[in-house]
This record gives sequence, structure tokens and C-alpha cells, in this order.
Amino acid sequence: GQNIDQPTEMTATEGAIVQINCTYQTSGFNGLFWYQQQAGEAPTFLSYNVLDGLEEKGRFSSFLSRSKGYSYLLLKELQMKDSASYLCAVREGDYKLSFGAGTTVTVRA
Amino acid sequence: IAGITQAPTSQILAAGRRMTLRCTQDMRHNAMYWYRQDLGLGLRLIHYSNTAGTTGKGEVPDGYSVSRANTDDFPLTLASAVPSQTSVYFCASSAIAGVGYNEQFFGPGTRLTVL
Repeated sequence: GQNIDQPTEMTATEGAIVQINCTYQTSGFNGLFWYQQQAGEAPTFLSYNVLDGLEEKGRFSSFLSRSKGYSYLLLKELQMKDSASYLCAVREGDYKLSFGAGTTVTVRA
Repeated sequence: IAGITQAPTSQILAAGRRMTLRCTQDMRHNAMYWYRQDLGLGLRLIHYSNTAGTTGKGEVPDGYSVSRANTDDFPLTLASAVPSQTSVYFCASSAIAGVGYNEQFFGPGTRLTVL
């Protein structure tokens, strides 16, 4: 099974950088995903890591260390529209995607 | 292109009633999933289907059943609803289960309240 931990809430200022950490324990790691979920909406895919290292996509980057069971999502140049919940999800085996409870990020002007 | 549609958008249901949540995708994805999302618990997998004709149990399958008669549709049935099944239900799909960069796409969700 999975045990996925991420902070419940984070607050940052517009234009700043925020790092959301995710730690996990798994018996069959097969990739880590980050999703963004706006209030009242469906989750949307942000990033995917399966090998150690940093994946960069515009203002968003995601890092993975498999040996440490650790990932982070880095949001740069924060905008008001980035206020949302960010979900860390670990895929175990072929199909099972286990989600953390999510981190609510609030961006302040 | 609609992606994934779910119906109904929301529903209030009396305990003990039977309810089917509908999910349809037009992306020809092989794999489909049903999750429930509860405050503080995140998304939890109820049932999944790797391909048409096959289904499997997820983390919280009790009280729910699914079928996958074709590629596009994956209905979720609550045989006899109970208040603890009050939740937001998301259907998702992915091209192939578990292979590489193969993210899941989510439907808009169904908000279900069981009284």
C-alpha cells in the first residue's frame, strides 16, 4: 500500500516561489504525478517523474528522489490563478494511482 | 472534443436507494477509473478497468459495483446508498494502464449526497 504525505496548506506572495514537498512509501514504485485541482473542479495533470532528477515545464518543475521516497513541486513566479490544491500521486504497479490529501496553496497579492 | 463526461452533476439521494453514476469518454482510452474525494482524505480509488470486459477493485470498493461493456462507458452503481457514500465522485481514464508517461484524465465530477 501507499503512505503519501504532503503539507495541508501553504501561503505565498504573488511573484514568489513555493515548494510543495511530498514523501511516500511504496512497495512497487512506477512513477509520480502532480495534479492541480482548482476549487470545485476536476484535477488536471501537471507533471510526471519516474527517474531521479528535475523535470521542468515552464513555471512549474518537479523533482524526484526514489531512494529517499521524496518529490517536490516548485511553482515559480506565482500568479493569483495558481491558488489551488496540488495533489501528489504515486503509481504502484500497472494501474493503481494513490493520492496524497493535497496541499492548498493560497497566493496573496 | 468532450473528453470525459459524467452524469448527473449532482444528486441528492435517500438512503437505501439504488443509484448509477454515468461516465463516458471519447478518447478511446483503454483504462478507466472511479475515485471518491472526501475532505482531508484525498482521492481514493473505488474500482478500475484496464480494458473493456475487465474490472478490478481499488482501495474502497465496498458498496459499489462497476461494469465495462465497451471502451467508452464505465458506470458506477451504488446498490443501496448509505450516508457514508456522500462524496464527490470522479471518473478518469488513461490511454494504457501503467505504462510510462500516461496520465489520467478526469471528468468534471458528480457531487452525491445521501440522506
